[in-house]
Amino acid sequence: EAGVAQSPRYKIIEKRQSVAFWCNPISGHATLYWYQQILGQGPKLLIQFQNNGVVDDSQLPKDRFSAERLKGVDSTLKIQPAKLEDSAVYLCASSFTGQGYEQYFGPGTRLTVT
Amino acid sequence: DAKTTQPNSMESNEEEPVHLPCNHSTISGTDYIHWYRQLPSQGPEYVIHGLTSNVNNRMASLAIAEDRKSSTLILHRATLRDAAVYYCILKTSYDKVIFGPGTSLSVIP
Repeated sequence: EAGVAQSPRYKIIEKRQSVAFWCNPISGHATLYWYQQILGQGPKLLIQFQNNGVVDDSQLPKDRFSAERLKGVDSTLKIQPAKLEDSAVYLCASSFTGQGYEQYFGPGTRLTVT
Repeated sequence: DAKTTQPNSMESNEEEPVHLPCNHSTISGTDYIHWYRQLPSQGPEYVIHGLTSNVNNRMASLAIAEDRKSSTLILHRATLRDAAVYYCILKTSYDKVIFGPGTSLSVIP
């Protein structure tokens, strides 16, 4: 079974530039999560989708971050404009809907903002 | 949001059992207890989960207190490959998942 795919794996940009990350979840998984993980910390939930609807985006900095999940499958996360403090690993995860199901994580995208 | 507390770090000798504790005193009746681990430079991976009863799988065992306010992840024989950050999290209604800082496990050869 194919896992969660993410691209790119690495990205280096200058501050005030924009960047986009792509995630393809495991087939059949209705729930999709985007996390930000700063070095030395646990993953921080940015946004959670169920199909193409947003369940939770309370920690998404909406002035610069946006995310969409068109057709309830693939998802993109965008940052515009980027700040130095956005340097982190961005993780995508997916799961079947329900508290008894585990999440599967992708390999992440390491973003460096200079 | 439902929260968990874990020790920042623990050490274990190779091939000995490891007991990783987690407190979740504000757990609600429908919250599931999930454990994940994260090896260096990798995304988190699922370890085990449970609701009320103790659970076993090929990776580990999960012991849940009767009042569900704490749980313990048990690695029966630690190997060097088990050195990782272990996260205890509660999966709440709407499938919400909140990660804490986790426990960094070191395994000594």
